[in-house]
Amino acid sequence: DSGVTQTPKHLITATGQRVTLRCSPRSGDLSVYWYQQSLDQGLQFLIHYYNGEERAKGNILERFSAQQFPDLHSELNLSSLELGDSALYFCASSVSGRLAGEQFFGPGTRLTVL
Amino acid sequence: KNEVEQSPQNLTAQEGEFITINCSYSVGISALHWLQQHPGGGIVSLFMLSSGKKKHGRLIATINIQEKHSSLHITASHPRDSAVYICAVTSLKSSGDKLTFGTGTRLAVRP
Repeated sequence: DSGVTQTPKHLITATGQRVTLRCSPRSGDLSVYWYQQSLDQGLQFLIHYYNGEERAKGNILERFSAQQFPDLHSELNLSSLELGDSALYFCASSVSGRLAGEQFFGPGTRLTVL
Repeated sequence: KNEVEQSPQNLTAQEGEFITINCSYSVGISALHWLQQHPGGGIVSLFMLSSGKKKHGRLIATINIQEKHSSLHITASHPRDSAVYICAVTSLKSSGDKLTFGTGTRLAVRP
């Protein structure tokens, strides 16, 4: 158990809908990272937040947004969902404010868009 | 060409064998990560390297910054080592750090 929690574990929804994925980092970690893992594209870095501020952006679509709250939990919002958004979404946390720090991964949320 | 290349893509070994997985990258990096993803999907960070060598139990990771190459070695392999091993690199940009993943090496260790 990494200490990082993600909810929900599974999510099934329809095209055009909007969903919110939630991540709680390990106690004491200020950084939260979001990743997408799809069958055809592998793991991709989406976005990094540190202590409430966006630090780095990866291949995150404009239909996706994220935020980190004062209690350090983070939410990833996916809107106007398409079939291709079906994937595993991981969050990770670390003490470090840089992407070079060691990260601890949550169990993931499996999103299926029908 | 991908910024991070791993080889081999698939690897089958007998229990007890010494295993090497390679990772080459084409960008300047500040750190290289080795991750393990089990069949259930969970990801564990094994190593984070910026130079030299690190060892944890039966796992050893090395990096050669000049050659832009890293290796992950597993000694005395065991069926529970069966997983996908993923290499990722952090490159520092003025616009924000970037983390790029390799496509992974799928390892199966037979008893």
